[in-house]
Amino acid sequence: DSGVTQTPKHLITATGQRVTLRCSPRSGDLSVYWYQQSLDQGLQFLIQYYNGEERAKGNILERFSAQQFPDLHSELNLSSLELGDSALYFCASSVAGWGLAGSHDNEQFFGPGTRLTVL
Amino acid sequence: ELKVEQNPLFLSMQEGKNYTIYCNYSTTSDRLYWYRQDPGKSLESLFVLLSNGAVKQEGRLMASLDTKARLSTLHITAAVHDLSATYFCAGGDTSGTYKYIFGTGTRLKVLA
Repeated sequence: DSGVTQTPKHLITATGQRVTLRCSPRSGDLSVYWYQQSLDQGLQFLIQYYNGEERAKGNILERFSAQQFPDLHSELNLSSLELGDSALYFCASSVAGWGLAGSHDNEQFFGPGTRLTVL
Repeated sequence: ELKVEQNPLFLSMQEGKNYTIYCNYSTTSDRLYWYRQDPGKSLESLFVLLSNGAVKQEGRLMASLDTKARLSTLHITAAVHDLSATYFCAGGDTSGTYKYIFGTGTRLKVLA
């Protein structure tokens, strides 16, 4: 158990809908990362937040957005869902992040994931 | 943009044998990560390598980094069935906006 929690574990929805995935980082971690894992795209980094601010951005679609709240939990919002959005979505956390004080090795701890199925 | 390539993609090996997984990356990466993923599970951090010549070992796994060759290796010594999993390497792309780039993964199966 990494200490990172994600809800829900499974989500089934229809095309065109909007969903919200939630992540709570390990106690003391300030950075949260979101990743998408699918069979055709592999593991893709989506976005990173550090202490409430966006810090790094990967291949995140404009239909997707994220935020980190003052209590450091994060939400990933996926809208106008398409069949191709079906994937495992992982959240990870670390003490800090690239280029930030305390980041040294920036080891990331992953949550159990949310499996999203779009029908 | 950083590209990360792993080989082999699939590896079937006998228990007790040694093997190496290779991770090549295309441009400068400020660090190199290795992760393990069991089927249907999340990712587990194995190693973070920060500098040229870095070597880290944990049990039967040893990872190394050669930044000049842009190569990291994950060496498996005397494999056991419990090591069966998919192993990913990932780098940090410092060109433009920072992002993490993963390799395609190496699916390892250790046969008894």
